[in-house]
Amino acid sequence: DAGITQSPRHKVTETGTPVTLRCHQTENHRYMYWYRQDPGHGLRLIHYSYGVKDTDKGEVSDGYSVSRSKTEDFLLTLESATSSQTSVYFCAISRDYLDTGELFFGEGSRLTVL
Amino acid sequence: SQKIEQNSEALNIQEGKTATLTCNYTNYSPAYLQWYRQDPGRGPVFLLLIRENEKEKRKERLKVTFDTTLKQSLFHITASQPADSATYLCALSNGGSQGNLIFGKGTKLSVKP
Repeated sequence: DAGITQSPRHKVTETGTPVTLRCHQTENHRYMYWYRQDPGHGLRLIHYSYGVKDTDKGEVSDGYSVSRSKTEDFLLTLESATSSQTSVYFCAISRDYLDTGELFFGEGSRLTVL
Repeated sequence: SQKIEQNSEALNIQEGKTATLTCNYTNYSPAYLQWYRQDPGRGPVFLLLIRENEKEKRKERLKVTFDTTLKQSLFHITASQPADSATYLCALSNGGSQGNLIFGKGTKLSVKP
């Protein structure tokens, strides 16, 4: 299994509070991603990173920010959590080359915003 | 707009039969297509990738086809087993930035003994 660790795995918070989810990888892969998964929707990309300090927006980036100060860590921050951000968040990584393009996913972080 | 659809939310089959899952897409010209397996409470796991110039790809009991004319991929599991029960996701990419990978909603497969 790819070495991807997400923390926390479960979190319950209140509307308006800041939340940070952490993704840590031991594979030294260049690309890292944050997805959310909701019933009735496919996995949707929030933000991704193609290197240290290099990030870009995905399909559903509003209300989220990210940071990557080290190759191994990719943080997702909800500055002021809303109930619509209740979801399961998955971190994923991929190798630098695009020959296979496969993603390796973490186990997910379940966030509930009350 | 770009759209990716998996034919059904759920598929129930008997053990030993072949399961066939469908992934259709519109307004898209993918360079490759991927299939993932997801078990409850877990992250998706990569199964197979097929490129636009490939008609078929096999891996053990799994087979994927890719028809760019029909804009469709079929995912087959032969001699299915209860352990194959899971949700299967298809995903498309135009081969550029990894940020362009688009996922379908998934099909939940249940294999009954």
